[in-house]
Amino acid sequence: DARVTQTPRHKVTEMGQEVTMRCQPILGHNTVFWYRQTMMQGLELLAYFRNRAPLDDSGMPKDRFSAEMPDATLATLKIQPSEPRDSAVYFCASGLVLAGELYEQYFGPGTRLTVT
Amino acid sequence: SQKIEQNSEALNIQEGKTATLTCNYTNYSPAYLQWYRQDPGRGPVFLLLIRENEKEKRKERLKVTFDTTLKQSLFHITASQPADSATYLCALTEAGRRALTFGSGTRLQVQP
Repeated sequence: DARVTQTPRHKVTEMGQEVTMRCQPILGHNTVFWYRQTMMQGLELLAYFRNRAPLDDSGMPKDRFSAEMPDATLATLKIQPSEPRDSAVYFCASGLVLAGELYEQYFGPGTRLTVT
Repeated sequence: SQKIEQNSEALNIQEGKTATLTCNYTNYSPAYLQWYRQDPGRGPVFLLLIRENEKEKRKERLKVTFDTTLKQSLFHITASQPADSATYLCALTEAGRRALTFGSGTRLQVQP
């Protein structure tokens, strides 16, 4: 059964290090989202892509975060340099836009990032 | 400012009763609203979608209502079971956008 996969599932790193998170969306989905979830802020949208083109990355701190889709089967979220306040669970989700409408999103299991 | 509010306190109910969760929003004009379930350590899972021109949607034991005048959605689980215990998130999408904005969620605990 089709699902979104994310790697790594857990990452512990030191402040200042680069972190790369990867996502494989469901085959055939044309829209990919990155979210961050913390206890304080809940689930926040960082960026999203449609047909691999970035549509909105206004939720992302541009100086340290970058998101790309090098191909239709891979989305990446990179943090450089990482800071303790980046500690959170990062979710990737994919969905299908049909006739201009996006229906449900399918979420991956998340990457739990801890920056010490 | 824009806000999506869900009851931050956990909802505890007895098995077999109907659980009702509330989602209120301000300064949004949603094209549609969705409800997701999230279990600890997992990503949210889609449950139901309701459009701005729909009043009610049902799926098995689940029912969602959408009142754009009150700016509120209610999510009902009838004949609740302990397996329904989870956090439930509402999320809305405004016309012209494709992304969801999520509420903070309400934790539901169904006691056997």
